[in-house]
Amino acid sequence: AQSVTQLDSQVPVFEEAPVELRCNYSSSVSVYLFWYVQYPNQGLQLLLKYLSGSTLVKGINGFEAEFNKSQTSFHLRKPSVHISDTAEYFCAVLDSSYKLIFGSGTRLLVRP
Amino acid sequence: EAGVTQFPSHSVIEKGQTVTLRCDPISGHDNLYWYRRVMGKEIKFLLHFVKESKQDESGMPNNRFLAERTGGTYSTLKVQPAELEDSGVYFCASSLIVHSWNEQFFGPGTRLTVL
Repeated sequence: AQSVTQLDSQVPVFEEAPVELRCNYSSSVSVYLFWYVQYPNQGLQLLLKYLSGSTLVKGINGFEAEFNKSQTSFHLRKPSVHISDTAEYFCAVLDSSYKLIFGSGTRLLVRP
Repeated sequence: EAGVTQFPSHSVIEKGQTVTLRCDPISGHDNLYWYRRVMGKEIKFLLHFVKESKQDESGMPNNRFLAERTGGTYSTLKVQPAELEDSGVYFCASSLIVHSWNEQFFGPGTRLTVL
């Protein structure tokens, strides 16, 4: 069965610093990977997705992620964070029946 | 275009009571999904409708949960009777078609607290 691991439950970072949120997956089939963000009191919003092609995927709000098949990782990065990036971030993989399998989430806390 | 809406946003009930959650998908989206997040854990799939038919209900925890989508528009998720472990945030999502590249759009969720 497919699974997703987000090792960091919370990541504190200062404004304008770079950040990396880690995600590892396990899958024996073709992989479709996603990062979602949940801002306070809002629903999940898609940040970016990897379906095929280039391993570096660019998303909204300056985020990008790199698909690494050998390390089974899909880490999310941003070179300079803003206060408004404070949110919870979820990594997910699409399984063969088209349901999303999520990691446990990472809270990004951006401090001034 | 309106997004996925869910009602209520919060619900607090006593153990043993019944609660019904509602989800209105994006107009024209045939696919509707229910997910649940229990206290700080991962978001887990509950079930998937294609129009009014249940395509996959492998994630439904037990028979106290009943999901319906009459007419293939909005969906309801009833919990009867509610137990303490049912507390969590229930998310609904919809998509136009079922495909790897087709985004699932999520609603804001319903926070259910069972006392």
